[in-house]
Parts: sequence; structure tokens; C-alpha cells
Amino acid sequence: EPEVTQTPSHQVTQMGQEVILRCVPISNHLYFYWYRQILGQKVEFLVSFYNNEISEKSEIFDDQFSVERPDGSNFTLKIRSTKLEDSAMYFCASSLTPATNEKLFFGSGTQLSVL
Amino acid sequence: AQSVAQPEDQVNVAEGNPLTVKCTYSVSGNPYLFWYVQYPNRGLQFLLKYITGDNLVKGSYGFEAEFNKSQTSFHLKKPSALVSDSALYFCAVRDGNAGNMLTFGGGTRLMVKP
Repeated sequence: EPEVTQTPSHQVTQMGQEVILRCVPISNHLYFYWYRQILGQKVEFLVSFYNNEISEKSEIFDDQFSVERPDGSNFTLKIRSTKLEDSAMYFCASSLTPATNEKLFFGSGTQLSVL
Repeated sequence: AQSVAQPEDQVNVAEGNPLTVKCTYSVSGNPYLFWYVQYPNRGLQFLLKYITGDNLVKGSYGFEAEFNKSQTSFHLKKPSALVSDSALYFCAVRDGNAGNMLTFGGGTRLMVKP
């Protein structure tokens, strides 16, 4: 089965630094998502992206966050100035059609640790 | 607002016994319901979904789930558990009247013992 790949698997950064989390969605998928899971808490929606623009975002996705599809394959999440509370597992996902009733394919995640 | 509750942090079951992982939800519109499973060091994998139609939905690896509108539940079931079913299970809901955002429950760890 095709897979969503995420790099790096683990990222350690200092508070206030910028980080970029990278994802390669499944090649023919059109809809892309970022979710995160703080240790011991729920998986939370951050943002969805389609046709080179954000289609939906949550309250978590503030001005410190941005997403980009810089080329035909990568989908990135940037955090401009990391905070301690940004420490979490970040999951990228993609789908062929909108997540309306379609299953999402998730990557294995990037564990972000902000020190 | 949409929400999901998984009341059990962990479910323990003996191999060969039936298993149930509970999920209740709250949405204002029509619920679209999903179950995902997470194995160690892997991303979430889709198991099954309920969109419309039969209340009993069958999915991957012999799992099934029953949609109960009156109880706003979508419990995951399997008639005979395998040790390899041990994993973290997430229930998720999308409000049919409100965007594409999936809301996940907190997850339930299923431990199947030989």
C-alpha cells in the first residue's frame, strides 16, 4: 500500500528557533493535512491544504504556523518561533478526495521536542 | 462543536475472546465516523468508516463497528481477538455539516494476551 513519508522522525530544537517538518504525501493525492498529538493527549487537527491554499485550520494553527507545498511532492509545516508547548508528535496525512467521507493516509510522524 | 469520547484508556482481553472498544460522539449535524489503529512507530491506519447505510460496518483485519444513533455510539468490535491486534485505537468523527476537520478521541490501548 502507498505510504506517506515524514522526515525527520525526531527533531530537537531550542525554544524560539524555527523548525520545518517535511512530508511527502501519496503521489496522486490532492488534499493534505497536519495533525499533532501532545504526549498523553488527543490527536488534534491543525490544518488542511488543497490547491495550494489552506482550506481549513484550527485555533491551534496561529500565525506562528505556516504550510507550503514548495514543489510537486513535498508538503511542509513551519513553526517560526517554537515554544515549549509545541512539543508533540506531528502527523502529516493525505487523501485523494476531501476528508468528507474519505479515509486519510497518515505518515509515521515527527516527534518534535522543544527545549 | 464536534467531540469524541473513548472512556477506556486501556482494554485487556485474552486471545480468542471477543473485544469491544467503546466510542461515543457528539455532533450537531450528521456524523461521519471512523476508526484508526496505530501500531508502534507507525502512523494511524484506517480501519473502517460509517457514512450512511447499514449500521453495522465491516472493516480491515476482521474488525467491525456498530453505529447507534440513539446512543451516539460507534463501538469497535471483533469476535475473536489476536495478539497482533494489540495497538492504540482511535475513534474519529466529522460533522457532515461543518468542514473536513476530523476530531479524534483520546485513544484506547488494546492489549491482547496469549
